[in-house]
Amino acid sequence: NAGVTQTPKFRVLKTGQSMTLLCAQDMNHEYMYWYRQDPGMGLRLIHYSVGEGTTAKGEVPDGYNVSRLKKQNFLLGLESAAPSQTSVYFCASSYVWTSGIYEQYFGPGTRLTVT
Amino acid sequence: AQTVTQSQPEMSVQEAETVTLSCTYDTSESDYYLFWYKQPPSRQMILVIRQEAYKQQNATENRFSVNFQKAAKSFSLKISDSQLGDAAMYFCAYRSLPNAGGTSYGKLTFGQGTILTVHP
Repeated sequence: NAGVTQTPKFRVLKTGQSMTLLCAQDMNHEYMYWYRQDPGMGLRLIHYSVGEGTTAKGEVPDGYNVSRLKKQNFLLGLESAAPSQTSVYFCASSYVWTSGIYEQYFGPGTRLTVT
Repeated sequence: AQTVTQSQPEMSVQEAETVTLSCTYDTSESDYYLFWYKQPPSRQMILVIRQEAYKQQNATENRFSVNFQKAAKSFSLKISDSQLGDAAMYFCAYRSLPNAGGTSYGKLTFGQGTILTVHP
């Protein structure tokens, strides 16, 4: 049971380049989330998904797109990277509320630097 | 919208001593969940403790306990018998229950974090 995994762990991009971050979970969770962590600001929600084929915007969605074609995977895309997107990105997943388990499980994070 | 505030950017404690990390939050909801997450230098987010708002009893997990004051909207974390391995960034987080409009499917709202240093 690997839990939540993220690929890649580190990446350096030039301004204007594109990339996709992959999140995978093997816990059969319905809900999945993408957060970014910046110094002094905690983690902020970018996008989330409540099930396969559904996505929704979080607090800071601009410049990002997401897709959830399979229940176990949640992709975060940057179409044209900007230096303001330099951050650490975390994926998380959780069970549905009726499970009685309310915590989110986090991946190890991806450190992205845009130059 | 909910907000979470951790007013202590940094805290330090001597090994074996007790330290309390502060967290306050703002919400108009009556039912919700509160969490403390630990983030060591490895960056991994580790759940330390959780508290259901409808429970008056404070949660406890081994050396970690909380002081939950619902009316004051305060949720502090007490670490007893501090160990070197407790050194990390600690985040307080708020999670809403799902609502009929589907605007809150369990996203976490985080505080800014508190860096805890443990001195031997």
